[in-house]
Amino acid sequence: GENVEQHPSTLSVQEGDSAVIKCTYSDSASNYFPWYKQELGKGPQLIIDIRSNVGEKKDQRIAVTLNKTAKHFSLHITETQPEDSAVYFCAAIPGNQFYFGTGTSLTVIP
Amino acid sequence: GAGVSQSPSNKVTEKGKDVELRCDPISGHTALYWYRQRLGQGLEFLIYFQGNSAPDKSGLPSDRFSAERTGESVSTLTIQRTQQEDSAVYLCASSLLPGNYEQYFGPGTRLTVT
Repeated sequence: GENVEQHPSTLSVQEGDSAVIKCTYSDSASNYFPWYKQELGKGPQLIIDIRSNVGEKKDQRIAVTLNKTAKHFSLHITETQPEDSAVYFCAAIPGNQFYFGTGTSLTVIP
Repeated sequence: GAGVSQSPSNKVTEKGKDVELRCDPISGHTALYWYRQRLGQGLEFLIYFQGNSAPDKSGLPSDRFSAERTGESVSTLTIQRTQQEDSAVYLCASSLLPGNYEQYFGPGTRLTVT
């Protein structure tokens, strides 16, 4: 099955700085790569996703890049704000099942 | 509401008792997923439904765990003879179709086995 690794597990940045979270996957059949944000006491919520026919996607302060050859994808958050503090999960989908990374706890320091 | 709902939000049970966790997906979503999330950990896949069928039960940790879905709607996750290691948040998600479609998550049920 698919194996998704996510780094770093924790990340602290100053407000206004950028944050980058990286994931690697193993199954070349994976063709959909969503990123979820989970706030304390809530379920994860999709913030951005990318499909395998695209190398980069941007939505305001959030961007995702995908390198299919190297089997890795990254989440970039620019101009971070305190409300960006949460746990972020990447996922790779080779079929019908989502394979999630282990999560990154992001803290934005005001 | 339009989102995924789960009940109860919190459940405290004694070791050895059975528990039932309920998930109401978004209307019209054919796929439904159950995950377990231990404190500070990632999402552990348990089972998914396509309609009322469960093509993949590979994530269920033991035969104490079972799930069903009826009417292509509500799903129930049952844990029999609960153990302390079952303590976790159980998350349900639904999507329009299985696979490359956004999963919408419920708020979860926090299960504590004492």
